[in-house]
Amino acid sequence: AQRVTQPEKLLSVFKGAPVELKCNYSYSGSPELFWYVQYSRQRLQLLLRHISRESIKGFTADLNKGETSFHLKKPFAQEEDSAMYYCALSVSGGSYIPTFGRGTSLIVHP
Amino acid sequence: DTGVSQNPRHKITKRGQNVTFRCDPISEHNRLYWYRQTLGQGPEFLTYFQNEAQLEKSRLLSDRFSAERPKGSFSTLEIQRTEQGDSAMYLCASSLAGTPPGHFGPGTRLTVL
Repeated sequence: AQRVTQPEKLLSVFKGAPVELKCNYSYSGSPELFWYVQYSRQRLQLLLRHISRESIKGFTADLNKGETSFHLKKPFAQEEDSAMYYCALSVSGGSYIPTFGRGTSLIVHP
Repeated sequence: DTGVSQNPRHKITKRGQNVTFRCDPISEHNRLYWYRQTLGQGPEFLTYFQNEAQLEKSRLLSDRFSAERPKGSFSTLEIQRTEQGDSAMYLCASSLAGTPPGHFGPGTRLTVL
């Protein structure tokens, strides 16, 4: 069975500092990885997916199959980045049923 | 509002009662997902539909849980004989087949007393 681990429940940084939200996964096949975000009083939404290889709101994430990681990074954090971030995995085959980690709360201080 | 909607937003019930939640997906989306989330945890998959067909159910979904999507549009999730352990946020999401769920509804928060 697949598993997603987000080791940090809370990450606190100052505005302008680099951010790295850690995500590790376990799955024997070729997964698809995602990051979801939930801003305060808003709904959970998809932030980015590894196959897109795009930067969203300045965030990027690279799939490292050797280390089974998919860390989310941003070089300069902004206060509006404060939110709950969930890493998720779906198995190969296109079923797209994400298995979520427990989430990391990012707080960006002014 | 063209997003995913869920009703009711909050439900308080006594142990042993039955409850039913409704989800209205984005209109052109043929996939609909149900997830459950408890405090401090990420969403846990319960079940999903493609059109009116229920294609997969989690082992978390006991016999007390049933979901339907009769016309391939809205869906209902019913919990029979509720238990205190059923207290959680129940989330619905929708997508087009072949894409991951991009947007979730606001959730229904269930409290079982």
